[in-house]
Amino acid sequence: DSGVTQTPKHLITATGQRVTLRCSPRSGDLSVYWYQQSLDQGLQFLIQYYNGEERAKGNILERFSAQQFPDLHSELNLSSLELGDSALYFCASSGTALSSYNEQFFGPGTRLTVL
Amino acid sequence: DAKTTQPNSMESNEEEPVHLPCNHSTISGTDYIHWYRQLPSQGPEYVIHGLTSNVNNRMASLAIAEDRKSSTLILHRATLRDAAVYYCILFRRSGNTPLVFGKGTRLSVIA
Repeated sequence: DSGVTQTPKHLITATGQRVTLRCSPRSGDLSVYWYQQSLDQGLQFLIQYYNGEERAKGNILERFSAQQFPDLHSELNLSSLELGDSALYFCASSGTALSSYNEQFFGPGTRLTVL
Repeated sequence: DAKTTQPNSMESNEEEPVHLPCNHSTISGTDYIHWYRQLPSQGPEYVIHGLTSNVNNRMASLAIAEDRKSSTLILHRATLRDAAVYYCILFRRSGNTPLVFGKGTRLSVIA
C-alpha cells in the first residue's frame, strides 16, 4: 500500500459526459501528479500540483482540468468525454521539497470506460 | 525534446542477472534518470534514480554511461516477482517534474 488513495476504482460513463476523479496523497506529501495510461499510448504525464499551485503541465487536453485543495487532495475533471479517453488514470504524490530526490508514490488508479 | 528508448520486451531466467537498457541521447545536463516498474494490475513503483554516478539500492543497481546518453538498470538476481514493465523516465531537476516516459520494457522471468 503506497498510502495514496484514489476514488472511484472504476467509472463507466457515456460520451459527452463529465466525470471527476479524486486523489488523496500520502500524509505530508505536497506534490500531486496525474497520469493517463492507455494501451496505445503508454504512461503519460498530465499535470503536477505543488501545495495547491499548478507546477507543470504535460500532455493534458484542454477538456481536462485539475486542482489541488487546501487539504492537499486533488481532483481531475474530464469533460466532453470521448471514447479515446478510456484509460487508467493514476495519481501520484511526492515529498515536501521540489527536488528530484523525491520518489513518487502511485495510487491504485481509476479505470475510466467511456461508452 | 527529451526522449527515451527502451526495448519492448526482455526475458530472463529466475536467479539470473538482468540488464535493462535505456537510451536517452537527448538528455540535458540537469535531468535525472529515474526507473519505475509496474507490476500487473498495480500502479508504478519507484526503483532507483541517478544523475551521473552509478547507484545501488536494495532493489537494483543503476549504471549510467559517462556521456549520460544511456543507462542500464541491473537486477542482480531476477525473481518471479520482478516480472513487470520497467519504465526509464527523465525528470527535470528543479521541481521534480517528469519530462519523458519511455514505453517501458516488459520483463518476463522464467522459473
